[in-house]
Amino acid sequence: EAQVTQNPRYLITVTGKKLTVTCSQNMNHEYMSWYRQDPGLGLRQIYYSMNVEVTDKGDVPEGYKVSRKEKRNFPLILESPSPNQTSLYFCASSGQGNQPQHFGDGTRLSIL
Amino acid sequence: AQSVAQPEDQVNVAEGNPLTVKCTYSVSGNPYLFWYVQYPNRGLQFLLKYITGDNLVKGSYGFEAEFNKSQTSFHLKKPSALVSDSALYFCAVTNNAGNMLTFGGGTRLMVKP
Repeated sequence: EAQVTQNPRYLITVTGKKLTVTCSQNMNHEYMSWYRQDPGLGLRQIYYSMNVEVTDKGDVPEGYKVSRKEKRNFPLILESPSPNQTSLYFCASSGQGNQPQHFGDGTRLSIL
Repeated sequence: AQSVAQPEDQVNVAEGNPLTVKCTYSVSGNPYLFWYVQYPNRGLQFLLKYITGDNLVKGSYGFEAEFNKSQTSFHLKKPSALVSDSALYFCAVTNNAGNMLTFGGGTRLMVKP
């Protein structure tokens, strides 16, 4: 089954404690992206990757890092999380950036 | 910079009636437009897209959307709403470069029996 898998689905943690949200896709897609969803703001793009070792900033990259060492994986790293990063996060992938994206089921992060 | 506006936070419609969810956009170059739907505790699901060609595009679950270049709009429509259509709907835009995808704020559709 074609899917995008995110882990964990839920996480409550404290300010300053580094965390990583993993994302993996099994569709051999070149394009991967991270979004955060906040009420009334829709989804905002954090980072995207057009291919392995190619990443770029989206609209709201501050406080986040990503890496794309393999085609299937695109982890999101919060080096020093802060409460304003409490949000619902989605990973997505597509063959190319201008094609429909497949979304994971989301990761709800609470930073206390 | 590209942008998407969904002017209605919520749309209420009776089951069996037609529905419209509005979307306007701004992008440089040729627009690639998408509609996605989100059900509770789930990720977004692709409904339909416009890249080029006919201004009326048909998608999943009986939904369609009308592209209007002069009004820079891409409204989502369905001739007869179902209660099961109740969900959160997002319009999104990118261009032929396809690097960044920009979403609107979302419109909650409530279909009442």
